[in-house]
Amino acid sequence: QSALTQPRSVSGSPGQSVTISCTGTSSDVGGYNYVSWYQQHPGKAPKLMIYDVSKRPSGVPDRFSGSKSGNTASLTISGLQAEDEADYYCCSYAGSYKEVFGGGTKLTVL
Amino acid sequence: EVQLVESGGGLVQPGRSLRLSCAASGFTFDDYAMHWVRQAPGKGLEWVSGISWNSGSIGYADSVKGRFTISRDNAKNSLYLQMNSLRAEDTALYYCAKEAAAALGLGYGMDVWGQGTTVTVSS
Repeated sequence: QSALTQPRSVSGSPGQSVTISCTGTSSDVGGYNYVSWYQQHPGKAPKLMIYDVSKRPSGVPDRFSGSKSGNTASLTISGLQAEDEADYYCCSYAGSYKEVFGGGTKLTVL
Repeated sequence: EVQLVESGGGLVQPGRSLRLSCAASGFTFDDYAMHWVRQAPGKGLEWVSGISWNSGSIGYADSVKGRFTISRDNAKNSLYLQMNSLRAEDTALYYCAKEAAAALGLGYGMDVWGQGTTVTVSS
């Protein structure tokens, strides 16, 4: 049960798009269409941004989108805004009622 | 207002036990699965354990299996985590999170989170 692999950091300018990858194995990301993404601002609890690979909960801007190919899932944030600066975590179902998170990616808005 | 409030954290010596609680309000507790997720100081999120709406399905991270026990009392709208044989590496902020589905493993995500309770394991 190893953590999913995410880049430690990504950055982009306001208005640009960034993509955060999340690589797992055929036992987690590749085996299920059950990937979710969370946004966490410093000192705050995480917030669900994407579930079921590409679905957005009510209230999440459509600037946030998710996708998956093989063992790698991706979160794309378009039209970057200053308030998007945060840590982002992917999470995948891993079978046997287990979940596994990625190591997290720090997004900097330049 | 949908709310989760964790309690029970504190400073504990290695090898000792601690029981965390999570009080839920503002939603029908027994309609949803629940999770515990922890975050060590300055580190990322780590899923700890999950339990389905009726306690029929339970999962644990390998790092805590055999030491931690998750449970829930739907009559009291409460989730628990019994932590035994605590180690220094269990030091973290422990979050209670609501799954957006009754069962585990359906990929609906954790849509409500508490503010966490801090557990420090140190002699």
